[in-house]
Amino acid sequence: SQQGEEDPQALSIQEGENATMNCSYKTSINNLQWYRQNSGRGLVHLILIRSNEREKHSGRLRVTLDTSKKSSSLLITASRAADTASYFCATDYSWGKLQFGAGTQVVVTP
Amino acid sequence: SQTIHQWPATLVQPVGSPLSLECTVEGTSNPNLYWYRQAAGRGLQLLFYSVGIGQISSEVPQNLSASRPQDRQFILSSKKLLLSDSGFYLCAWRGGMQEGPRANTGELFFGEGSRLTVL
Repeated sequence: SQQGEEDPQALSIQEGENATMNCSYKTSINNLQWYRQNSGRGLVHLILIRSNEREKHSGRLRVTLDTSKKSSSLLITASRAADTASYFCATDYSWGKLQFGAGTQVVVTP
Repeated sequence: SQTIHQWPATLVQPVGSPLSLECTVEGTSNPNLYWYRQAAGRGLQLLFYSVGIGQISSEVPQNLSASRPQDRQFILSSKKLLLSDSGFYLCAWRGGMQEGPRANTGELFFGEGSRLTVL
C-alpha cells in the first residue's frame, strides 16, 4: 500500500493565490520529500524535510512536517500558471527506498 | 553534471511479446538506481532498486525483471508482457555515500519516462 496520501486529489486556483496540499503517512520516516511532475514527464525534486525538522522554505515553497500526526503540508505562494502540475509527497522510510503518494493535481488559471 | 537517459520514450507492444527498457546515468559513479511504474493518474510504485552491479532488489512480485550489467546501466525486462504491464515507467538514480554535497540527502533524479501500452 502507498505510504503517503495527498489531499486534495485536485486543486484549481487562480494566479496569485496560494495553493496548499497535505500529505499523510503511516510509518516512521527518515525524511519526507515533495516532487513535481508536469504532464507526461519525469518527476522533479522540490524540497526535502528531515524528520527532526518542522518547517522548511525554498523560494515560494513552504513545507511543514508534524511527525506526531504523521503529516506534512506543501504551500506554494503567489501561484503562477507555470505551477500547473501534479505534486507528490514521498517518504524515505528505509535507506534507498522512497514511497510516493497518489499526488495532487494543481491547475493554476491566468 | 549528471544526466539520466531512458529509452524508448514510447512503445506499443502486443500481449505476450518481450520488453526491454534501458536507463543510463552519466556524470556519477556507483549510483543507486530505481525503476518505478506509474499507472494513469496514480502515484509511483517502486518495482526494483539496485545499489551496485548485479545487485537487484525486487519490491513487487510480478511479470518483470531488472538487471544492472554495468555501474550506470539499469534494464527493465519482461519475457511475456501482460495487459496489466501498461503504464509509465520511470528510472531514477540517487547518489551513493561517496557523493559530494548531495550525499545522504535522499533526493531522486528521474528520467523522462517510458510509456508502455500493451494491446
